[in-house]
Amino acid sequence: NAGVTQTPKFQVLKTGQSMTLQCAQDMNHEYMSWYRQDPGMGLRLIHYSVGAGITDQGEVPNGYNVSRSTTEDFPLRLLSAAPSQTSVYFCASSYSGRHGSGYTFGSGTRLTVV
Amino acid sequence: SQQGEEDPQALSIQEGENATMNCSYKTSINNLQWYRQNSGRGLVHLILIRSNEREKHSGRLRVTLDTSKKSSSLLITASRAADTASYFCATAGHSGNTPLVFGKGTRLSVIA
Repeated sequence: NAGVTQTPKFQVLKTGQSMTLQCAQDMNHEYMSWYRQDPGMGLRLIHYSVGAGITDQGEVPNGYNVSRSTTEDFPLRLLSAAPSQTSVYFCASSYSGRHGSGYTFGSGTRLTVV
Repeated sequence: SQQGEEDPQALSIQEGENATMNCSYKTSINNLQWYRQNSGRGLVHLILIRSNEREKHSGRLRVTLDTSKKSSSLLITASRAADTASYFCATAGHSGNTPLVFGKGTRLSVIA
């Protein structure tokens, strides 16, 4: 049981390049989300999904796209990288439901945009 | 925008002492959760307390929730050097299906 797997662990991009951060979970969780973590800012929600085919925006969605074609995968696409997107990105998953449940986090992708 | 606000921002204690971290939030919640993050790692879920609960225990962890004051506290008893980490509170809105909103965290240092 791998939990939540994020790839790559580290990435350096040039301004204007695009890339996809991968996230996969093997726990059959319906709920998946992407956060970015910047020093002194805590975690901020980028996009989330409550199930395959359903996505919604979080607090800081600009410059990012997501899709959810399967329950297992939730990739995050950077359309045209900017230095302001230098951050650590975390993917998380959980059971959905009215009563809520704890999130399982991946180990993160550290992205630097130069 | 941040929902939870942890206090203090940083805390340094001796091994064996108790550590208390507080979290205040702004709007009604379905549940509140606490997470730990070791340096350079992902977050790990510690405990979830629902809006109709007042206190919950898990091992050396004790969490309280006061919905009238919109606040929660996390107590770690008999702290160990391995407890050194950042601790975050996160809140879920009324439906329970809304995404978690995290605070900025408390950095705990436990000195051996």
